[in-house]
Amino acid sequence: LAKTTQPISMDSYEGQEVNITCSHNNIATNDYITWYQQFPSQGPRFIIQGYKTKVTNEVASLFIPADRKSSTLSLPRVSLSDTAVYYCLVGDGYGGATNKLIFGTGTLLAVQP
Amino acid sequence: NAGVTQTPKFRVLKTGQSMTLLCAQDMNHEYMYWYRQDPGMGLRLIHYSVGEGTTAKGEVPDGYNVSRLKKQNFLLGLESAAPSQTSVYFCASSLYPRGGAEAFFGQGTRLTVV
Repeated sequence: LAKTTQPISMDSYEGQEVNITCSHNNIATNDYITWYQQFPSQGPRFIIQGYKTKVTNEVASLFIPADRKSSTLSLPRVSLSDTAVYYCLVGDGYGGATNKLIFGTGTLLAVQP
Repeated sequence: NAGVTQTPKFRVLKTGQSMTLLCAQDMNHEYMYWYRQDPGMGLRLIHYSVGEGTTAKGEVPDGYNVSRLKKQNFLLGLESAAPSQTSVYFCASSLYPRGGAEAFFGQGTRLTVV
């Protein structure tokens, strides 16, 4: 199972764009990249998932380079309510032997007014 | 549609006592997971299930047992609670047998072992 590396923490200000990068050098061909958000005292919430290039939804964008050894979660114009821990997960697909959701330590994003 | 519901929300146990945490999902998901989260740390996978009647070990399975007798329920048991098991426990479920597929989490169970 591919191991992921993220910054422990990041600081930002309201209205700025925030980019959180995740390294996953051992990503396998069938692996997808998924990001979750967790607020204090709550369970994680799915944000976005991708396999390659760029994926965008109403909440965020996910950029994945051609070699797929890293990915970047982009949050446009953050607000105070975006203060949370963000987790990057890499998992295999289609019923593989390791159908686990393994979370790393995540990135604590602190948004200042 | 309730999603993923965990019972109970809070519990205090004495060392050596046993208890069972219940996770119920109403989304017909195949995959279910139990995690623990200690203060200031990420989630660690305890056990998971890829379907009714199946269970498998995660990262930190020692001291816990699980059962998936019904597709919608995933039970986590502590046979003899220890202070080291004081934590917040989260259950999750997902539909597709694909690592990283969207998983839905419960609200958590805060367990204190004294």
